[in-house]
Amino acid sequence: AQKVTQAQTEISVVEKEDVTLDCVYETRDTTYYLFWYKQPPSGELVFLIRRNSFDEQNEISGRYSWNFQKSTSSFNFTITASQVVDSAVYFCALSLSGGSYIPTFGRGTSLIVHP
Amino acid sequence: NAGVTQTPKFRVLKTGQSMTLLCAQDMNHEYMYWYRQDPGMGLRLIHYSVGEGTTAKGEVPDGYNVSRLKKQNFLLGLESAAPSQTSVYFCASSLALYNEQFFGPGTRLTVL
Repeated sequence: AQKVTQAQTEISVVEKEDVTLDCVYETRDTTYYLFWYKQPPSGELVFLIRRNSFDEQNEISGRYSWNFQKSTSSFNFTITASQVVDSAVYFCALSLSGGSYIPTFGRGTSLIVHP
Repeated sequence: NAGVTQTPKFRVLKTGQSMTLLCAQDMNHEYMYWYRQDPGMGLRLIHYSVGEGTTAKGEVPDGYNVSRLKKQNFLLGLESAAPSQTSVYFCASSLALYNEQFFGPGTRLTVL
């Protein structure tokens, strides 16, 4: 069975600090997809990134970067120079390529960025 | 292009009442999902659909029913609401199970 663990329930930082959100996944499949979603205080969930298991290249998008390491089954998300607008709940998710496997979400990490 | 919409946005029910939540998407996605979100529990999948006329159970299906009569619509029904069903319900859609999901704005349901 697949599983996603986000051990950090809540993280509190001061603006301009760098912060890393951890995501550890479990699956026996060799082909899978990892996702990050953001849920700001307004409540709507927004897709941030998708990676497949064959692409371990790190991704950078502005202040956001993602570190995918198959050796440790982790897909961590770093925000550089955090801003108040980054305050949100962030969810990591895992999907398999097989047609019968449903996506699995972690329980989320609440990030609070103080001015 | 509205994406995924949900109706209603808020609802208060009494125990034992029934209701239907409507989800609509205009992206021609095959896959649609219903989740519930409770504090500290993340997103839990209730039911999902892999195409028009098909539905399947997710992680927490008890007390809910769904229907997908049209490709763009996915209905979630509560036949006899219970206080344990107080939650925020999200609908989502995707091209495939391994593609990113697009979420609706959510429905906040309170069962008294």
